[in-house]
Amino acid sequence: GAGVSQSPRYKVAKRGQDVALRCDPISGHVSLFWYQQALGQGPEFLTYFQNEAQLDKSGLPSDRFFAERPEGSVSTLKIQRTQQEDSAVYLCASSLEVRLGAFFGQGTRLTVV
Amino acid sequence: GESVGLHLPTLSVQEGDNSIINCAYSNSASDYFIWYKQESGKGPQFIIDIRSNMDKRQGQRVTVLLNKTVKHLSLQIAATQPGDSAVYFCAENAGYNFNKFYFGSGTKLNVKP
Repeated sequence: GAGVSQSPRYKVAKRGQDVALRCDPISGHVSLFWYQQALGQGPEFLTYFQNEAQLDKSGLPSDRFFAERPEGSVSTLKIQRTQQEDSAVYLCASSLEVRLGAFFGQGTRLTVV
Repeated sequence: GESVGLHLPTLSVQEGDNSIINCAYSNSASDYFIWYKQESGKGPQFIIDIRSNMDKRQGQRVTVLLNKTVKHLSLQIAATQPGDSAVYFCAENAGYNFNKFYFGSGTKLNVKP
């Protein structure tokens, strides 16, 4: 597709459940980012990939969060043993180069009940 | 850490008027800035960017001004239209932390017909 695609758009998880969020970046984009956006707040950086290499994961809030991009294209953000504080919109973005404006997907709204 | 904040959380303007959205940042090392527009239920959309070697950059109906002395940038929207109603975020990046963008909390722009 022409833009960044994320799935699912909405996810409701019971506390303690594992979830996996998918991101299909724009074809050819080397850089891929994951952000977390709480209600009424700006996005907060989670992690960054350059091709398949995860170069920065300093924003991941705990070891329950794990991201991968094994072939340098599609990326998955996995959250294990979800907690209520994990409820947020998870945004994926990609760009041709790391310091160019990134294009965001529509996000996955995760609600943990 | 970096701090990016906005002076006005909500801005209401009449259709056809010009809008000015302001943003302050605290990291003097930040040298790349982006303005994003986020409509309800959507991901942030790139509007315009500016690097620190410039004071002003113009796009279609939008102008970004950067004042490095006081660490302030602004987004000017000419002839504001109802479709401009959204939340606007500024994001900053510093070269030493090249993959990490810090977002402000956003300004909501309401355009009254």
